[in-house]
Amino acid sequence: KAGVTQTPRYLIKTRGQQVTLSCSPISGHRSVSWYQQTPGQGLQFLFEYFSETQRNKGNFPGRFSGRQFSNSRSEMNVSTLELGDSALYLCASSLGAGGVLDTQYFGPGTRLTVL
Amino acid sequence: GQQVMQIPQYQHVQEGEDFTTYCNSSTTLSNIQWYKQRPGGHPVFLIQLVKSGEVKKQKRLTFQFGEAKKNSSLHITATQTTDVGTYFCARSLNDMRFGAGTRLTVKP
Repeated sequence: KAGVTQTPRYLIKTRGQQVTLSCSPISGHRSVSWYQQTPGQGLQFLFEYFSETQRNKGNFPGRFSGRQFSNSRSEMNVSTLELGDSALYLCASSLGAGGVLDTQYFGPGTRLTVL
Repeated sequence: GQQVMQIPQYQHVQEGEDFTTYCNSSTTLSNIQWYKQRPGGHPVFLIQLVKSGEVKKQKRLTFQFGEAKKNSSLHITATQTTDVGTYFCARSLNDMRFGAGTRLTVKP
């Protein structure tokens, strides 16, 4: 079974721009979660999508948004980029049953650098 | 709320020594998960603990969930260089909260 894939793997943007990251979950997984990982803040939960609906949300500003398509693929968008948005953005998929986040299978991540 | 605190932040050991990382919560946890992230890699699921006092083993790794379900530990016996990485605990409820991680380095 293919793992979680994320595109692009690396991205360089400038302040004020916006960016869209993509995530394809493991086949059969209906839940997709997004995380931001930085050396200072660690691994922080952004949001989770299940069956095309945002089911849970972390404590991030509205510049961070996402969506999920009918095939469970998900995109994450960050608008008006700030230097502090430089991070590794990880996507994780899971079966998503029961309303509780179950075992997360992570993708390789997208390394975003904001200049 | 419901943060999980993880200690130590760093641990450097000689190959063959044991290693333990601890995860603590101020509130009762429904479950605790452990992940390992190799340098330059992404977190990989190791195990989930659900029951009070649960102990699970994976070869040289021993995972424990406290009786009160407020703490957990991961113990590695006789570390090897392949154990290098950052070990995270995480609790899942409506969202996933990760501990800060313990970065393990092993000197050959």
